[in-house]
Amino acid sequence: EDQVTQSPEALRLQEGESSSLNCSYTVSGLRGLFWYRQDPGKGPEFLFTLYSAGEEKEKERLKATLTKKESFLHITAPKPEDSATYLCAVQSLLFSGGYNKLIFGAGTRLAVHP
Amino acid sequence: SAVISQKPSRDICQRGTSLTIQCQVDSQVTMMFWYRQQPGQSLTLIATANQGSEATYESGFVIDKFPISRPNLTFSTLTVSNMSPEDSSIYLCSVEDSTEAFFGQGTRLTVV
Repeated sequence: EDQVTQSPEALRLQEGESSSLNCSYTVSGLRGLFWYRQDPGKGPEFLFTLYSAGEEKEKERLKATLTKKESFLHITAPKPEDSATYLCAVQSLLFSGGYNKLIFGAGTRLAVHP
Repeated sequence: SAVISQKPSRDICQRGTSLTIQCQVDSQVTMMFWYRQQPGQSLTLIATANQGSEATYESGFVIDKFPISRPNLTFSTLTVSNMSPEDSSIYLCSVEDSTEAFFGQGTRLTVV
């Protein structure tokens, strides 16, 4: 069964303290792995898509990497405005019902304190 | 990209009543997706909605509880019927293109 596990559930950082969030997955053929940011009271906001092992993408203080079993979201020198829940999702190659299903992890709640 | 407007943004409802959530997209899309996000849990797909056909429901979700309408290529509604406190969640509408999924801001439902 396709599954996504994110760790830690919650992370508290001091401003400037770099860290990484983990997303472990099992999927019957990976079409893509997605990272989203979700602020309270809002829908998820797209950050990155990774398609193959070894791929890396960067955006400001965020860098996402992908292996065959997991993805990391590295946050360099975070600021308080980076505080949010970060969601990971995988999309299977299995095309059923006219679409490739997205499977989400439960997210990591990040709090960055000044 | 796609911009999705969802309403209401939040509501508090009495148990046994129903609530209809509306989702409007700024472009025509073939498929629209409805998700539920229970407190502290991941997004779970409820159903997919194609214009002109009945919605397809995921395991654990049934049409009598979550009827969906899809009258045209830019609009859909999800109704949460005969609500109980266990239905308290955030409900999200989503559309996809070839590279990513776009989400509305969600409807935070509290059933008392």
